[in-house]
Amino acid sequence: SQQGEEDPQALSIQEGENATMNCSYKTSINNLQWYRQNSGRGLVHLILIRSNEREKHSGRLRVTLDTSKKSSSLLITASRAADTASYFCATSRYSTLTFGKGTMLLVSP
Amino acid sequence: DSGVTQTPKHLITATGQRVTLRCSPRSGDLSVYWYQQSLDQGLQFLIQYYNGEERAKGNILERFSAQQFPDLHSELNLSSLELGDSALYFCASSVYRSAESNTGELFFGEGSRLTVL
Repeated sequence: SQQGEEDPQALSIQEGENATMNCSYKTSINNLQWYRQNSGRGLVHLILIRSNEREKHSGRLRVTLDTSKKSSSLLITASRAADTASYFCATSRYSTLTFGKGTMLLVSP
Repeated sequence: DSGVTQTPKHLITATGQRVTLRCSPRSGDLSVYWYQQSLDQGLQFLIQYYNGEERAKGNILERFSAQQFPDLHSELNLSSLELGDSALYFCASSVYRSAESNTGELFFGEGSRLTVL
């Protein structure tokens, strides 16, 4: 069964705008990760946040984690057309990584 | 380039047939994961191997099996194929130091697209 669920399922914005995607999960986790997938390609790791961390930054990415609400958000600032992709959250528990169904982000020039 | 190699990239076969998908992990990675991605089910974890031993099992059908060889490459065998097995199959590898380690970053291959007709 899916652990993480992303919201929204799809998001369409203009270049330069910020994009926010949310992820909710059900059980305790060791860490939460975000991945990106361009159409039909392999997934690429973006960022990992541990269960004892609340916020993490990497370039234009900002991830937050609220373990009390079992939720995370991914913010992409100043989006570019090249950011168009599907974004997945993945929760780590013991030795497995479980993915949500993803958010499809479309950034228009 | 993630360093994970999957072959074949595309495969078309008929119902009832058997196929083998191959994965070479990144150099130095001991852990291999298999995932199935389909439109209706999303990305489903199938199975994980660490240094030749099965470590975790997910939603893997009995018709499917996998193994990891001494050179650390892995194969996923799919038999008695059904139309619903059509999907993108991903292999991923990671540095996985012990059974107590949390799962860190996974490096994904480009996938093997299986079409069952």
